[in-house]
Parts: sequence; C-alpha cells; structure tokens
Amino acid sequence: DAKTTQPPSMDCAEGRAANLPCNHSTISGNEYVYWYRQIHSQGPQYIIHGLKNNETNEMASLIITEDRKSSTLILPHATLRDTAVYYCIVRGFNAGNNRKLIWGLGTSLAVNP
Amino acid sequence: KAGVTQTPRYLIKTRGQQVTLSCSPISGHRSVSWYQQTPGQGLQFLFEYFSETQRNKGNFPGRFSGRQFSNSRSEMNVSTLELGDSALYLCASSSSTGLDTEAFFGQGTRLTVV
Repeated sequence: DAKTTQPPSMDCAEGRAANLPCNHSTISGNEYVYWYRQIHSQGPQYIIHGLKNNETNEMASLIITEDRKSSTLILPHATLRDTAVYYCIVRGFNAGNNRKLIWGLGTSLAVNP
Repeated sequence: KAGVTQTPRYLIKTRGQQVTLSCSPISGHRSVSWYQQTPGQGLQFLFEYFSETQRNKGNFPGRFSGRQFSNSRSEMNVSTLELGDSALYLCASSSSTGLDTEAFFGQGTRLTVV
C-alpha cells in the first residue's frame, strides 16, 4: 500500500506562503494524491487533489513532481485560521478493487502573527 | 446544501454497553465511509457503504458493524464497548466510489467509554 511521509510540524508567518511537503515514493500510476486539513476536534476538510498535473483552487495549489513521488501543498497567503493538521493521502484501489485511503499522522502547521 | 450530519456529537458510555452512531450524508451522495480517530493512531478506516452494500472494510474486530439505508443514511454500531474504543468517530460522504471524487466529513461523534 502506498503511504505518505510528512514532517510532523511546521511554522509559517502570517501572510507568507506555506509550503507543505509530502513524500509518496511508492505511489502507483492510477493513485491520486489528496490533501485534507483538520482544525482541532473538527472533521477533516477537503482541500485539493490531483493525479499528475498541478492543480489550483480557491484554497490552495498542489504541485506534484514529474515522477509523482512527492508533492507540495501551497497555501499562498497563510492566515491564522490556516493553523491546522494537514494530511497528505494517497487514494487508490485495493486488491478487491475497492477504494482505499491511507492516512498518516499529518503535519501540524502553526501560522504565527 | 447541507453538509454531513453526525449525531450525537458527544456520548459517554460504560464498558460493556453498546452504542449506535448516525450519519446523514450530503443530499445525493450514495457513498458513506466511517473512520475512527485516536490521538496516537490518526484516522483509521472502518468501512465504506455504497447503495446499502458494504464495499470495503478495515481491520477492526467484529464488534464494529454498520449499515446503510435506502436514503443513504448510515449507522455504525459498537457492541461490548471497551475503554480503547474511546475516540472521535468520523463519517464521510461522497457522490461515488471513484478515485477522483472528494469525500466530505462530518463533525464527528466524540465517544468516551468509562
């Protein structure tokens, strides 16, 4: 099963870009990279996902390397409300052709004033 | 459009009891997944339902069970509760079981077993 590796914690200054790295060196060709975040004691919030190409939405940008072994989530102008745990997840099918999601422990991002 | 609704938000149960948690997915979503989240283990996948059928199951004992109704609402049940079952139980809904489909989470049910 493809799994992800993220730094346990990061800091970022308010107003600056936050770049959160994720390693998924065993990812398979048809597996997607998803990013979620979780603010304390709330349910995870979907941010963005991608397969091969870079993606951008109103919340963030996702940069996936050409070999797909790593990716970076970019929050262009971090605010205090972006303080959360960020999860990078690989999503694929298991041997029974059912969807599987493997969650790591995420990166705790602290945005400082 | 209403989000994913989980009830109750908080529960306190005694060891040996059983508990039923409820999840109402986003309107039109037919896939519901359940997760257990504990501080040291992160999110652990329990099971996924689609159109009233269990599609996938994680590595949890048989005390954990679930079902999905024709309106896509889902329940999970934990029997013979143990102290270690204390956790945040999260439900997520999505419109399909494809890989290119984001899942939306509810706020969770915080279960405390004493």
